Amino acid sequence: ETGVTQTPRHLVMGMTNKKSLKCEQHLGHNAMYWYKQSAKKPLELMFVYNFKEQTENNSVPSRFSPECPNSSHLFLHLHTLQPEDSALYLCASSQGPGERNSPLHFGNGTRLTVT
Amino acid sequence: AQKITQTQPGMFVQEKEAVTLDCTYDTSDPSYGLFWYKQPSSGEMIFLIYQGSYDQQNATEGRYSLNFQKARKSANLVISASQLGDSAMYFCAMREESYGGATNKLIFGTGTLLAVQP
Repeated sequence: ETGVTQTPRHLVMGMTNKKSLKCEQHLGHNAMYWYKQSAKKPLELMFVYNFKEQTENNSVPSRFSPECPNSSHLFLHLHTLQPEDSALYLCASSQGPGERNSPLHFGNGTRLTVT
Repeated sequence: AQKITQTQPGMFVQEKEAVTLDCTYDTSDPSYGLFWYKQPSSGEMIFLIYQGSYDQQNATEGRYSLNFQKARKSANLVISASQLGDSAMYFCAMREESYGGATNKLIFGTGTLLAVQP
């Protein structure tokens, strides 16, 4: 499989549940990202990892916990979420910092609904 | 702070005609990159075209071209010969690229929903 793969595609969870989103890239990239897309809002950058190290946390609440075990895998661990966290969560990868003209390649996203 | 503005929430175009989607940006960084993405109803963000701030010519990729006007800080996407499959959300994005290299922070606008009519 090529590109960026996200699982699951859809997730419904209660506010007391713990779940994880998974992202895997097969492009040989060194940077991975989590974005949140809510209705009628611009995509919001959440986290950036370069060479497995977190380099950006865009003031994300601690109920979202990212994990990047290697340059190909990225997780987003979720716990005690709120209904307003319901959104499309997009994972992306790119060649990394210092690479101009290096677009982000996105996965299909996980549609999260918090009940 | 960097900012992207897309003022057209929705656009209609007849099949086979050209359409221009507007994008203005704001940054104090002298070096930056501008990107356009397409998001069909399936949700995936598809990269379309890139323009660097120091590129001498406007970028083109097949039916997509970027009308880059640096002094006006605009980077409009032109889609020629529209097809039904072009119906989607279109996002303009920017990344600051100074200090010898690109940062990772790609900032997006709110998007324009394009509907191509037969």
